[in-house]
Amino acid sequence: DGGITQSPKYLFRKEGQNVTLSCEQNLNHDAMYWYRQDPGQGLRLIYYSQIVNDFQKGDIAEGYSVSREKKESFPLTVTSAQKNPTAFYLCASSKVMTAPRVYNQPQHFGDGTRLSIL
Amino acid sequence: DQQVKQNSPSLSVQEGRISILNCDYTNSMFDYFLWYKKYPAEGPTFLISISSIKDKNEDGRFTVFLNKSAKHLSLHIVPSQPGDSAVYFCAASVTDSWGKLQFGAGTQVVVTP
Repeated sequence: DGGITQSPKYLFRKEGQNVTLSCEQNLNHDAMYWYRQDPGQGLRLIYYSQIVNDFQKGDIAEGYSVSREKKESFPLTVTSAQKNPTAFYLCASSKVMTAPRVYNQPQHFGDGTRLSIL
Repeated sequence: DQQVKQNSPSLSVQEGRISILNCDYTNSMFDYFLWYKKYPAEGPTFLISISSIKDKNEDGRFTVFLNKSAKHLSLHIVPSQPGDSAVYFCAASVTDSWGKLQFGAGTQVVVTP
């Protein structure tokens, strides 16, 4: 059964620590995304990647880093520079169509990781 | 600056009646719009989308209407069912922007018996 797996479901971070959130997909999607959701707000884009070994900053990239070494995997590191990391983090993926124009199919989401500060 | 706005944080509707969710946007470059449904502690699930070349798209109980001149879209759910109780997000994007979505803050729908 194809889908997106995020792990862990809950994560706790101490002050000054970096933590890495895992995101794996077996949908053969080219594009992957990381979003952050805070209470009462919509999802905000942190980073996105359209192809392996390439990624772009979203609207709120400060304090985060990503890598895209494999098509299936797009881990997100929340660094100690992120001063307010407590949030619900969502990973998504989508197909990319290139003809007649470049456009993305609807994004499919994982079930999220809730990060809290100890 | 929020480019996609859902001004109603919550909506209560009786089972069997119509649910109407509204969404406004400010960026005239948006040309693709989506609605997602989200249950607590789960990721959003794609419901329905509409391209700016259309003004209506229907899929079963769900219909999305787009009014480009008013920069407004709405989602109609008919008839509403208890399983529809969830948070609904409106999202918008610009084709050729590599799928970057702008989301509204969501509307909590509660379907009562």
